[in-house]
Amino acid sequence: DQQVKQNSPSLSVQEGRISILNCDYTNSMFDYFLWYKKYPAEGPTFLISISSIKDKNEDGRFTVFLNKSAKHLSLHIVPSQPGDSAVYFCAASALGGGADGLTFGKGTHLIIQP
Amino acid sequence: DVKVTQSSRYLVKRTGEKVFLECVQDMDHENMFWYRQDPGLGLRLIYFSYDVKMKEKGDIPEGYSVSREKKERFSLILESASTNQTSMYLCASSTNPLGSYTFGSGTRLTVV
Repeated sequence: DQQVKQNSPSLSVQEGRISILNCDYTNSMFDYFLWYKKYPAEGPTFLISISSIKDKNEDGRFTVFLNKSAKHLSLHIVPSQPGDSAVYFCAASALGGGADGLTFGKGTHLIIQP
Repeated sequence: DVKVTQSSRYLVKRTGEKVFLECVQDMDHENMFWYRQDPGLGLRLIYFSYDVKMKEKGDIPEGYSVSREKKERFSLILESASTNQTSMYLCASSTNPLGSYTFGSGTRLTVV
């Protein structure tokens, strides 16, 4: 059973516009959420995170929103730039929920068009 | 900055060979992880380790084993490589198994 779901395998956005990447989760024990960015032939790099005690966290052009009742989070990138073209992974963890580490979604390939 | 180094970027091995993938981190992290990444499947956890000589199975441990003899080094072993183990292998380390990870650049393994 997939506990972290990214239902859009790919997303195409015009440069300068807003990119919105979505992530849903099923495990109500998850209380910490992260986004990673991955370029081809490189390892994922940590982008931004949010704790379940918050509903928004912002870092420059990147904002993550958390809706606990809907078990949904989203990553907003404003404005989108060509260097943002990458695969984005949503991940979640549950403090005290066991020693399995992070659970990752399957990723969304973001393509920024000029 | 934490650095996680994977010894090989690309490897080609024959079916049945024993394969060693090496990972070294330089920030004294207790936790180390091996994932594989496949198109449409995302990142799947193979094995992880919380301390020296300690290992735990992840979601897909079959066909793999690991070794952690020193804190900074975590090795993934394919006992008898098969074509379905062709994949991108990613090593990660962390001070907190539930927090942010630092990943290596990955090893693209092809089994022929």
